[in-house]
Amino acid sequence: GAGVSQSPRYKVTKRGQDVALRCDPISGHVSLYWYRQALGQGPEFLTYFNYEAQQDKSGLPNDRFSAERPEGSISTLTIQRTEQRDSAMYRCASSSGSNYGYTFGSGTRLTVV
Amino acid sequence: AQSVSQHNHHVILSEAASLELGCNYSYGGTVNLFWYVQYPGQHLQLLLKYFSGDPLVKGIKGFEAEFIKSKFSFNLRKPSVQWSDTAEYFCAVNEASGTYKYIFGTGTRLKVLA
Repeated sequence: GAGVSQSPRYKVTKRGQDVALRCDPISGHVSLYWYRQALGQGPEFLTYFNYEAQQDKSGLPNDRFSAERPEGSISTLTIQRTEQRDSAMYRCASSSGSNYGYTFGSGTRLTVV
Repeated sequence: AQSVSQHNHHVILSEAASLELGCNYSYGGTVNLFWYVQYPGQHLQLLLKYFSGDPLVKGIKGFEAEFIKSKFSFNLRKPSVQWSDTAEYFCAVNEASGTYKYIFGTGTRLKVLA
């Protein structure tokens, strides 16, 4: 598509529920990134895909967080058994390569109540 | 570990005032540098980037930034701000050796008064 598309735009969920956040990158972008941004902070790296391969997941805070990109295009970030501290803006970005600058999506604002 | 500092968290200016937002990073090697902007209700957009060459980089909407290697700084400037520049500005760094992780600063909220 023309830009990076993320859905849903807003998600309110009850503590303990699982959530899945979707990212549809720019067509042809091989690199896809997930970042998390807490209120008053800058985005923090979560994970990175090159095509369908998850090259780095060192930023995932714990094993409740996982991500996949099975066909090298759309990616899903899943948070299991959500906790209030998971509330944040989750940002997806894509790029043509590692040093071409990111294009970000609009983000998903997750609120865990 | 790399880090990025943006010392000004909130800046309020009148229209036509000059702007300079500070960005300092800590990393001993070669870096790529970025400024991103987030207008109210919109997504993060790339304002400008520095990879190599002329340390004075010009971006969109009249913004520019200067990379001063000796000071580990990449400050953002604009000679005359407009009300429409009201936004949050983020400085980011990544290692030029091909790593993909960006380290972002905490952001500066700019409010321009009409």
